[in-house]
Amino acid sequence: KQEVTQIPAALSVPEGENLVLNCSFTDSAIYNLQWFRQDPGKGLTSLLLIQSSQREQTSGRLNASLDKSSGRSTLYIAASQPGDSATYLCAASFAGGTSYGKLTFGQGTILTVHP
Amino acid sequence: EAGVAQSPRYKIIEKRQSVAFWCNPISGHATLYWYQQILGQGPKLLIQFQNNGVVDDSQLPKDRFSAERLKGVDSTLKIQPAKLEDSAVYLCASSSDSNEQYFGPGTRLTVT
Repeated sequence: KQEVTQIPAALSVPEGENLVLNCSFTDSAIYNLQWFRQDPGKGLTSLLLIQSSQREQTSGRLNASLDKSSGRSTLYIAASQPGDSATYLCAASFAGGTSYGKLTFGQGTILTVHP
Repeated sequence: EAGVAQSPRYKIIEKRQSVAFWCNPISGHATLYWYQQILGQGPKLLIQFQNNGVVDDSQLPKDRFSAERLKGVDSTLKIQPAKLEDSAVYLCASSSDSNEQYFGPGTRLTVT
């Protein structure tokens, strides 16, 4: 069964800290992996998309890595700010499934950055 | 560029009633997805369209849920009759060839 797991479920850090969110997936045959941010009561905002041929992607203070052989992805947030507080979701598009493009999501990590 | 639009944003109904949700994807995006997100969980795919054809509806409870995308643009998702366990946020997403998915704000459904 193709599954995505995120650890930790919740994380609280002081402002300014660098932090890492973890995502693991059970099948190394993926098309891509996408990281999203979700604010309370809102939809999902795409942060970074890593294609299967890539090792990492960067956008501003965010860096996401992909290691297919170990079934892991990490989202690194530098110099965290209170505005980064949200739920972070990772999702994988697995090859060989019933459809190309279907995303399988983790449960999310609830991040709180306190001043 | 306008994002994915969804309506209504909120809906409260009683069990056994019917409800419909509407989605307008990003212009030019051929692929449209409906996801269900239960509180505290990640979204789960219900149905995927490529233009006006269904690609994957394996997780759609077909005895009560239906969806259509008649002209390959807008889509509607219907639930009839609703159950308490259908309370969730219903998210619509769309993608183009790059396969990066863009999500709408969602419709929060409460079934009482």
